Amino acid sequence: DTAVSQTPKYLVTQMGNDKSIKCEQNLGHDTMYWYKQDSKKFLKIMFSYNNKELIINETVPNRFSPKSPDKAHLNLHINSLELGDSAVYFCASSQLSGGQETQYFGPGTRLLVL
Amino acid sequence: GQNIDQPTEMTATEGAIVQINCTYQTSGFNGLFWYQQHAGEAPTFLSYNVLDGLEEKGRFSSFLSRSKGYSYLLLKELQMKDSASYLCAVPNTGGFKTIFGAGTRLFVKA
Repeated sequence: DTAVSQTPKYLVTQMGNDKSIKCEQNLGHDTMYWYKQDSKKFLKIMFSYNNKELIINETVPNRFSPKSPDKAHLNLHINSLELGDSAVYFCASSQLSGGQETQYFGPGTRLLVL
Repeated sequence: GQNIDQPTEMTATEGAIVQINCTYQTSGFNGLFWYQQHAGEAPTFLSYNVLDGLEEKGRFSSFLSRSKGYSYLLLKELQMKDSASYLCAVPNTGGFKTIFGAGTRLFVKA
């Protein structure tokens, strides 16, 4: 059983295009995240959602618009793609309980903007 | 703010022991995580420390000193499959934002 799944796994597109990445978790978690991992392997938080509500927006350009239709899904839409958006995007989920909140990551979406 | 430092790369020999250090500065402490990430794959959970001391889990152990802002991950009886990046991570109070270190790439050689 896949805990956190993302589609697509690979995405190659031209500058200026609009694309979406989908994420689903079947762990029953309340909290979901989007991370960006660049070529230097730095994993950086972009957004956190809790029960479909946006909690954290880490000064991400507004070309990036997350949407959470329900607790199990957190999608990421990117408008007007730029070369610098090329990276691996990871979705993750966790169940916050005032202490340990292990994050479970999806397999990642490798985005290449040409 | 929050800041995490860990060495960029380490090399060790199969069967040996390696210690990966992490120092952090946070404005509140809510525990410290270690994740393992193999090349081309997602990070996976290894350990969590919130109290001072050593937590042992099989070949892997993690140590925390809150007063020193310091943790280490100890890997014993190294295997080739342990070649990966090891990420130190600290969540903020509330847990909605986790800061990850840049990761330590461990190369295990025969």
